[in-house]
Amino acid sequence: DGGITQSPKYLFRKEGQNVTLSCEQNLNHDAMYWYRQDPGQGLRLIYYSQIVNDFQKGDIAEGYSVSREKKESFPLTVTSAQKNPTAFYLCASSIDIGSPLHFGNGTRLTVT
Amino acid sequence: QKEVEQNSGPLSVPEGAIASLNCTYSDRGSQSFFWYRQYSGKSPELIMFIYSNGDKEDGRFTAQLNKASQYVSLLIRDSQPSDSATYLCAVNRASGTYKYIFGTGTRLKVLA
Repeated sequence: DGGITQSPKYLFRKEGQNVTLSCEQNLNHDAMYWYRQDPGQGLRLIYYSQIVNDFQKGDIAEGYSVSREKKESFPLTVTSAQKNPTAFYLCASSIDIGSPLHFGNGTRLTVT
Repeated sequence: QKEVEQNSGPLSVPEGAIASLNCTYSDRGSQSFFWYRQYSGKSPELIMFIYSNGDKEDGRFTAQLNKASQYVSLLIRDSQPSDSATYLCAVNRASGTYKYIFGTGTRLKVLA
């Protein structure tokens, strides 16, 4: 079955540590995205990538970094510079501009 | 003014009734419109998408788009308790961008 796999489901880290969230898709989609969701807020775009080896900052990119070395993979690193990293992180993909987003199951990150 | 606005709810309807969820958007150049269902603690799941003015039906769901009024709605017929969730409206801006803007969601409660 085609889909998007995010791992791990839950992640706990100490403040000051970098952490990398995994996102893999086998839908053959060109575009991939990272969103952050906080309680009572809409999804906010962190980074997106239209093609391999290219990515663009979203609305809240500070304190995050990404890479897109393969079409299937779009990992997100939450760095120690991110002031409030505790959140629900969602990876998504779409086949092209304006097409529906398909989401992974999410990673819930808790930093203490 | 928020770019995509939804009433946070909760919207309570009895089982078997029609639930009507509304969303307004500010960017007149928006071209693609999506409804997602999100159960508590889970990732968003695509319910409907619509690109043209008018109605689009899929089973118990109908999406309605009125670009002149900058308004999109989702009707759920014969509402079931399993429909109880938060419904997110998302809008894709004018062509040439991969950025999708999400509303904060409307919480729907279907009472058995």
